[in-house]
Amino acid sequence: DAGVIQSPRHEVTEMGQEVTLRCKPISGHNSLFWYRQTMMRGLELLIYFNNNVPIDDSGMPEDRFSAKMPNASFSTLKIQPSEPRDSAVYFCASSLSGARSDTQYFGPGTRLTVL
Amino acid sequence: RKEVEQDPGPFNVPEGATVAFNCTYSNSASQSFFWYRQDCRKEPKLLMSVYSSGNEDGRFTAQLNRASQYISLLIRDSKLSDSATYLCVVTGPNTGKLIFGQGTTLQVKP
Repeated sequence: DAGVIQSPRHEVTEMGQEVTLRCKPISGHNSLFWYRQTMMRGLELLIYFNNNVPIDDSGMPEDRFSAKMPNASFSTLKIQPSEPRDSAVYFCASSLSGARSDTQYFGPGTRLTVL
Repeated sequence: RKEVEQDPGPFNVPEGATVAFNCTYSNSASQSFFWYRQDCRKEPKLLMSVYSSGNEDGRFTAQLNRASQYISLLIRDSKLSDSATYLCVVTGPNTGKLIFGQGTTLQVKP
């Protein structure tokens, strides 16, 4: 079975450019999560969706970040304009229902470098 | 104070050793608890859930102490393949939101 799919796996861009990260959750999963991981701050939740609706976006750092989930099989995280401090690994994860006891399955991540 | 605190290590142990990791969490209303494992440059993966009664999965034993807000992971008979970062994870009181500790790095040496 296919797991969570993320693209691109690596992205190098220049400051000020728009970056779009993509995620396809596991089929049948109703909850989707975007995380960011850095050495300094560890793994942080940015936003999560349940049934395509954003439930908690309190972790989104600022207005430069936006996330959408137009349907159950696709989500995007956009950074516009990007800054060097956005350099990190961005993970997407999905779970069956978003319940506390649900296992979250992570994608391989997108390693973003902003020069 | 961080919501979930772990000793980052690294813990360097020989093969066959027993090693224990601890973690504390700040929100007494946290409901669910997990240990995730993350290999270098890979995604986190669920190792095991942690229950109040304690639970075991092969060489791995997890314990939860709600009164002290403390979670532990014990690895017996360490293997080289156990080398990884172990992330202590709790959920918020009313949501499925996961809150991760910074992780504890384990290096098992031959």
